[in-house]
Amino acid sequence: GQNIDQPTEMTATEGAIVQINCTYQTSGFNGLFWYQQHAGEAPTFLSYNVLDGLEEKGRFSSFLSRSKGYSYLLLKELQMKDSASYLCAVRWHNAGNMLTFGGGTRLMVKP
Amino acid sequence: ETGVTQTPRHLVMGMTNKKSLKCEQHLGHNAMYWYKQSAKKPLELMFVYSLEERVENNSVPSRFSPECPNSSHLFLHLHTLQPEDSALYLCASSQSHHTDTQYFGPGTRLTVL
Repeated sequence: GQNIDQPTEMTATEGAIVQINCTYQTSGFNGLFWYQQHAGEAPTFLSYNVLDGLEEKGRFSSFLSRSKGYSYLLLKELQMKDSASYLCAVRWHNAGNMLTFGGGTRLMVKP
Repeated sequence: ETGVTQTPRHLVMGMTNKKSLKCEQHLGHNAMYWYKQSAKKPLELMFVYSLEERVENNSVPSRFSPECPNSSHLFLHLHTLQPEDSALYLCASSQSHHTDTQYFGPGTRLTVL
């Protein structure tokens, strides 16, 4: 199957930096997305990686290594409002290019 | 964000009821999706429509019946549901169903008694 693994929960301090990792099965890989989801709300798109390297977007950056089947989402200058679940989702050629989501990482930002 | 809207936002129904969830997208997209999000489980894809044709049906029980009358509207008809069907039902849309970013609606929180 096409497994996606990410930590269940993380805690970090306001103003700090946190890195949320995601690993996935490499065969047929065709793109990786990160979404943010606040409790009871819709997932909102953060980033998309399909080539190796770092994509930076303000306080958020996402990194991809296709050979290692590895991505991370880096959040800088953490704010209380960043407390949310962060969903890693992968698209594979051999799964009809449909998105498969990981279980999400619940991030708690403390003062 | 009002690109994708869903109604109702909350729904409580008995196991013998029939109800429908509605999704509307105002983004001019050609693909629409239904997902189920249960507590402590990953988002599960249920159905995909592209240009009003169903392209994916992810082994969903027949008590869930989707309908896509046009590229802007998507329905999920519910009948004789089970308590384990209680979940957040999310609608999403994208420009195409192959490669593009999906944008989600706020979801319908469904409780089956």
